Amino acid sequence: NAGVTQTPKFRILKIGQSMTLQCAQDMNHNYMYWYRQDPGMGLKLIYYSVGAGITDKGEVPNGYNVSRSTTEDFPLRLELAAPSQTSVYFCASSYQGGDTEAFFGQGTRLTVV
Amino acid sequence: QKEVEQNSGPLSVPEGAIASLNCTYSDRGSQSFFWYRQYSGKSPELIMFIYSNGDKEDGRFTAQLNKASQYVSLLIRDSQPSDSATYLCALKNAGNNRKLIWGLGTSLAVNP
Repeated sequence: NAGVTQTPKFRILKIGQSMTLQCAQDMNHNYMYWYRQDPGMGLKLIYYSVGAGITDKGEVPNGYNVSRSTTEDFPLRLELAAPSQTSVYFCASSYQGGDTEAFFGQGTRLTVV
Repeated sequence: QKEVEQNSGPLSVPEGAIASLNCTYSDRGSQSFFWYRQYSGKSPELIMFIYSNGDKEDGRFTAQLNKASQYVSLLIRDSQPSDSATYLCALKNAGNNRKLIWGLGTSLAVNP
């Protein structure tokens, strides 16, 4: 049972480069989330989705884009990477939004230099 | 006022003691409440959830919810060094049931 799978685990980007962080879940959850976590800080919501074809902005969406073409996949796109985007990124999914447990992927540690 | 507030710590307790972690929230209509544990360099994992006023026990962990006073707490009995981690409080606001609202977490250190 894989749960939530994120790739890659680590990545170094140069300023101005772009990349996509992949997230896939095999639990048939409708709700999926992207968070970033800076050192010593809590989780900040970037984007979330309540089902295929539906996405919405979280607290810190600037510099990111998402898509949700299937229930399983929820990729996060970084355009024109900036040092401020250096962080650990977590993807999560849940069955029923805020009412149920969120399952997290193992995280992607991104450094922008 | 932040929606969810936690003392950042670090909270330091000796092995075998009771660790008490607290979380206060501003939205009186908040409903589902969750405690997650996050080890350094790892992703958060659920410890307990509580929906109703009162206590809920699961092994060495007890969650306590007091909606009138707008706080939720987590007690860890017989604390072990393996309990050393950051504990995140999360809840669902009445106005938006699609996502959780997160506290910044409390760092717990259990000393052998």
